[in-house]
Amino acid sequence: QSALTQPASVSGSPGQSITLSCTGSSSDIGGYKYVSWYQQHPGKAPKLMISEVSNRPSGVSNRFSGSKSGNTASLTISGLQAEDEADYYCSSYTSSNTQIFGGGTKLTVL
Amino acid sequence: QVTLKESGPALVKPTQTLTLTCTFSGFSLTTTGMRVSWIRQPPGKALEWLARIDWDDDKFYSTSLKTRLTISKDTSKNQVVLTMTNMDPVDTATYYCALKAGGSCCGFDIWGQGTMVTVFS
Repeated sequence: QSALTQPASVSGSPGQSITLSCTGSSSDIGGYKYVSWYQQHPGKAPKLMISEVSNRPSGVSNRFSGSKSGNTASLTISGLQAEDEADYYCSSYTSSNTQIFGGGTKLTVL
Repeated sequence: QVTLKESGPALVKPTQTLTLTCTFSGFSLTTTGMRVSWIRQPPGKALEWLARIDWDDDKFYSTSLKTRLTISKDTSKNQVVLTMTNMDPVDTATYYCALKAGGSCCGFDIWGQGTMVTVFS
């Protein structure tokens, strides 16, 4: 199964809102509510930011929000801050009873 | 406090079998809804899900790697073990274990720090 499709890079200025996309198919994103998003700073382990499309774990800033439409999931970061600069990965459950990740998006805060 | 820590050899030779151990604390893998996955990340590349084991001993594997992978658990030691056979240089990566703590089946709530494995002769 092919990886989910994410833009390789996105940039924004402090205070702006940006949206990261993650496109799959009806066999993964489109078929289930099990989409999650992870933030990874260089040299660090990934951190869960959003689970089950739009649930924000305790301790994650409310500047992060998730949504889904059809086969595409989105992560929106509002009030962009320097500390948000990182790689972001989406993940989804699949009809093959497996998990799949996207190729990752490098977010640069200008 | 839930923690997970990966351990295993830093270097393996091609064709060898890799055995990685995830030692965890703060939860029991006998508790309903607990699930532990292995995920890897080659240097500079994306994450790749490998396998998962559930509290009830259900096991799930990456479609592309399932012939090479075996996942198991030792609940008395609070450990999950992943073996990968026939290692190749393309398997060079940081290997993570991660916990899904109840609720739905899918996702990774808490991650270990990862362990780097290099395959070379």
